[in-house]
Amino acid sequence: QQQVKQSPQSLIVQKGGISIINCAYENTAFDYFPWYQQFPGKGPALLIAIRPDVSEKKEGRFTISFNKSAKQFSLHIMDSQPGDSATYFCAASSADTGTASKLTFGTGTRLQVTL
Amino acid sequence: SQTIHQWPATLVQPVGSPLSLECTVEGTSNPNLYWYRQAAGRGLQLLFYSVGIGQISSEVPQNLSASRPQDRQFILSSKKLLLSDSGFYLCAWSVPWAGFYEQYFGPGTRLTVT
Repeated sequence: QQQVKQSPQSLIVQKGGISIINCAYENTAFDYFPWYQQFPGKGPALLIAIRPDVSEKKEGRFTISFNKSAKQFSLHIMDSQPGDSATYFCAASSADTGTASKLTFGTGTRLQVTL
Repeated sequence: SQTIHQWPATLVQPVGSPLSLECTVEGTSNPNLYWYRQAAGRGLQLLFYSVGIGQISSEVPQNLSASRPQDRQFILSSKKLLLSDSGFYLCAWSVPWAGFYEQYFGPGTRLTVT
């Protein structure tokens, strides 16, 4: 019940296209959903996050769409650029973890944006 | 602003040798601290977390241990390394803000056990 399932495992998108990565969860207590971007050899960087009281959050070219009833959320990268090529992780957390604020991570999606 | 440091950046150690990885956070007080391991091409596995000095919670039983001797220092240790301990070790911090629990990661330590 603590799992976060992420798909696809890898994704190739042409420059200027839209990249879409999906995540699904089971634990209805999850109330915080961040996305992280990781370049090779670097630590993951927090990209954007959403709480379930909104259905969409946009920051620049990055948008999170959230469907509470379906227990799914997705990351959309508009006008994808070669510099977006990285591994993306979704995650979820809940107040059940108390002050620990533990995150449950998806397995990651390797995105490659081609010219 | 807050920054997080990890050292060393890379480490090659023989099987059976001890390990000590250090993580420090600057610019914040009373952070939660976390140790993750990432195997090659894999996701993030939470190893330990700490909500305060001397308070360590283990997520996965294994050959590793963690300690928090100071508020902003987190140490990952092993008495005898195994080949399976190889991986990319990441430290992270967070400060609870009214229900938001954003975690920020350090640059990581690449450990190769030979």
